[in-house]
This record gives sequence, C-alpha cells and structure tokens, in this order.
Amino acid sequence: AQSVTQLDSQVPVFEEAPVELRCNYSSSVSVYLFWYVQYPNQGLQLLLKYLSGSTLVKGINGFEAEFNKSQTSFHLRKPSVHISDTAEYFCAVSEMDSSYKLIFGSGTRLLVRP
Amino acid sequence: DSGVTQTPKHLITATGQRVTLRCSPRSGDLSVYWYQQSLDQGLQFLIQYYNGEERAKGNILERFSAQQFPDLHSELNLSSLELGDSALYFCASSVLSSGSEQYFGPGTRLTVT
Repeated sequence: AQSVTQLDSQVPVFEEAPVELRCNYSSSVSVYLFWYVQYPNQGLQLLLKYLSGSTLVKGINGFEAEFNKSQTSFHLRKPSVHISDTAEYFCAVSEMDSSYKLIFGSGTRLLVRP
Repeated sequence: DSGVTQTPKHLITATGQRVTLRCSPRSGDLSVYWYQQSLDQGLQFLIQYYNGEERAKGNILERFSAQQFPDLHSELNLSSLELGDSALYFCASSVLSSGSEQYFGPGTRLTVT
C-alpha cells in the first residue's frame, strides 16, 4: 500500500526567504508524484508533477521539486516566498494503474510573515 | 477556475438524514473522483467513476454511494448521516491518461448537527 508523509504540519517563514516543504512516500510499485496547493476556502490546484525523466521539476508560481528515488522523497522548494504563498500544500502519489487515484499526505501549512 | 463545478457549496443537515452532492466535470473529462477532507482523516479518496462505470473504490463507507450519469455528471449520496461525516467533499475530474492532472472543484462543505 502507498503512503505519503509530510513531517511538517506548519512551516513559518519570512517573506523573501527560501522554503522547503518535505515529502516522503512509500510504495512497492512505481508512482507519479504531485504537489497541490489549497488556498483558504478553495479547491486544490496542481503546482507541479513528476512523471518521469529529469528529477528536477518546475511548476507554477516559482515552485520546484526534486524527485529522489533512493530516499523516496519529493521535496518542494521556492527560493523566495511571497505573502500570497500562504496556503496549505499537499504532496500526493498516484500508482501507475488504471485508476490514477491520488493518495495525499497530511498537508503542510506554509505561513509567510512580512 | 478549474472548470469543475460542485453544488451545493454548503450543506447543513441533521444526524440520520440523507444528502446528495453533485459534481459536473470539465468538458471532455470522462473520469470523476470523489475525495473527503476532514480534520482527523485528512484528504481521502472515496470513489472513482469512468464514463459511467465504477473504476476504483477507496475508504468509502457503506452508507455512501455514488453514480455517474450519461451526461458525465456525478452524484455522491450520503445517508444515515453521523456527526463524523462533517467534512469538505471534493470532486475532481481528469481525462484518465497516464499521469494526467486531476482538476478539483471548489468542494461542498457538509455540516451534520
């Protein structure tokens, strides 16, 4: 069975500072990896995804993530955050099966302070 | 705007009641997923339909059921509601190809009193 671990429930950071949100996963088969963002009172929006190929993936809003197969990690990074990045971030995996359903981590709340 | 619509936005009902949540997928998407987001369980996959047929089932209670209609909209039926069913219910749609993105609706917030 797959599982996703986001160890940090909340990450406070000052505006314009870099940030890393950690994600580790467990699966016995190959998976696709995703980061979604949820702004208050909204649905989830895809930030970026890793399917195959280059392990460094660039997404929207200046975010990027690196897939590390040996450490089964997919950490999300941004070199300089803005107040508007304050939101909940979810890491998710999807097995390469006929469903592609998403298994989510517990989420990390990014709190950007001025 | 993801193109996925969900109604109603909010729903308040009493224990023991039954409700129906509705989802219209993005134009052209044949696959619909339902997820539940609650404080204690987080975001959980409930069930998936593809072109009218059930494709996958997750941690969905027997009191819950869903269906997808010929026009591809989907409904999630929740019956014998309990306080613990209070949650945000999301619908997502996709074209169901390898690695395809799921587009999420704004959700329906269900409050059971």
